[in-house]
Amino acid sequence: SQKIEQNSEALNIQEGKTATLTCNYTNYSPAYLQWYRQDPGRGPVFLLLIRENEKEKRKERLKVTFDTTLKQSLFHITASQPADSATYLCALERNRDDKIIFGKGTRLHILP
Amino acid sequence: GAVVSQHPSRVICKSGTSVKIECRSLDFQATTMFWYRQFPKQSLMLMATSNEGSKATYEQGVEKDKFLINHASLTLSTLTVTSAHPEDSSFYICSAGQNTDTQYFGPGTRLTVL
Repeated sequence: SQKIEQNSEALNIQEGKTATLTCNYTNYSPAYLQWYRQDPGRGPVFLLLIRENEKEKRKERLKVTFDTTLKQSLFHITASQPADSATYLCALERNRDDKIIFGKGTRLHILP
Repeated sequence: GAVVSQHPSRVICKSGTSVKIECRSLDFQATTMFWYRQFPKQSLMLMATSNEGSKATYEQGVEKDKFLINHASLTLSTLTVTSAHPEDSSFYICSAGQNTDTQYFGPGTRLTVL
């Protein structure tokens, strides 16, 4: 069955450093991979989408890579700030308007 | 940007009662809305796809007679949890797309069944 694994349940990073989160998947061939931010008691907020034919995408301090051979995506937050503390969800889609499959998320804590 | 709202944000009900949750797209029309459920420290699990003007498509293992979905207009979908039980207590989240690369999620509804 399809499986999405996010590297760790929780990650502590010192303020100012780069936080790197990992998403691995098996038994799936997504055309799209997305990253969301979720704060406690709130719905997810879309951050970035990367297509299978794209290697890297950036948005301000965020960078996502997508390696379809390794079946892995890396999500980087550079110059991390305490306000970046949240749960980050990896999500896969086979086609647009298809259902989205979510990972469990990684709780990121940026330490001041 | 596109905004999706949910009402209520929190609801507490007694076992055996029914609860209705509304999902609205405030500034765009959504022919398709999605309903998810999230248990603590778990991923969002898709329950059903709600299509305007037609029957919802339920994921395997989700009881369609227990989780009634109505998508009466292009801006409103409702999820009714019928005869709720404590195991139905969860965080219910809807999302809507705009035929773009982005799905917009609602803020979620925390359901507690006593």
